[in-house]
Amino acid sequence: QKEVEQNSGPLSVPEGAIASLNCTYSDRGSQSFFWYRQYSGKSPELIMSIYSNGDKEDGRFTAQLNKASQYVSLLIRDSQPSDSATYLCAVTGTSYDKVIFGPGTSLSVIP
Amino acid sequence: DADVTQTPRNRITKTGKRIMLECSQTKGHDRMYWYRQDPGLGLRLIYYSFDVKDINKGEISDGYSVSRQAQAKFSLSLESAIPNQTALYFCATGSRANTDTQYFGPGTRLTVL
Repeated sequence: QKEVEQNSGPLSVPEGAIASLNCTYSDRGSQSFFWYRQYSGKSPELIMSIYSNGDKEDGRFTAQLNKASQYVSLLIRDSQPSDSATYLCAVTGTSYDKVIFGPGTSLSVIP
Repeated sequence: DADVTQTPRNRITKTGKRIMLECSQTKGHDRMYWYRQDPGLGLRLIYYSFDVKDINKGEISDGYSVSRQAQAKFSLSLESAIPNQTALYFCATGSRANTDTQYFGPGTRLTVL
């Protein structure tokens, strides 16, 4: 089992819809969870971080964490074509010394 | 100027050649990382360093070596390049004070023929 898994995609949503991206992780001791966005040919950039169970909202983005289910998700409301990118889920291991990335989910927002 | 720079940005080389990828940062961060990215596999950690005298292997260190020449510089070497090392390589930095965020360089696209 991979340490961090994401829905395989590619995911296509119409402009204005909600995009839902999912991630599961294997290390029960993980404490910090991140979503990075990566445009084609560019480097990843952090868009959300979450540490406690529940929801965290930032503009059109909402991260949801459920540690009991070892599940973290990212919702993008009112999706825009500029949201088209690959979204990487990342998890800090128990020892906090490194971040483990998932394989990414490609999102395409159709105008 | 970019906070994290990588040189070269693109490199084509032949099997068996020695290659060095360089990373420099002006963010003043103590932590530096090297990742490779392959389609469908996400980012995989090669090596990381928490300060000049600290070097740690990541999940795929075989065939690679690193040098932390200064707090601001972290280089990755392929002693004898092979075709399956063809990938996009990213350097990233982070700080002890804020272990959450990693700041990535622009990447180096390496092709080994």
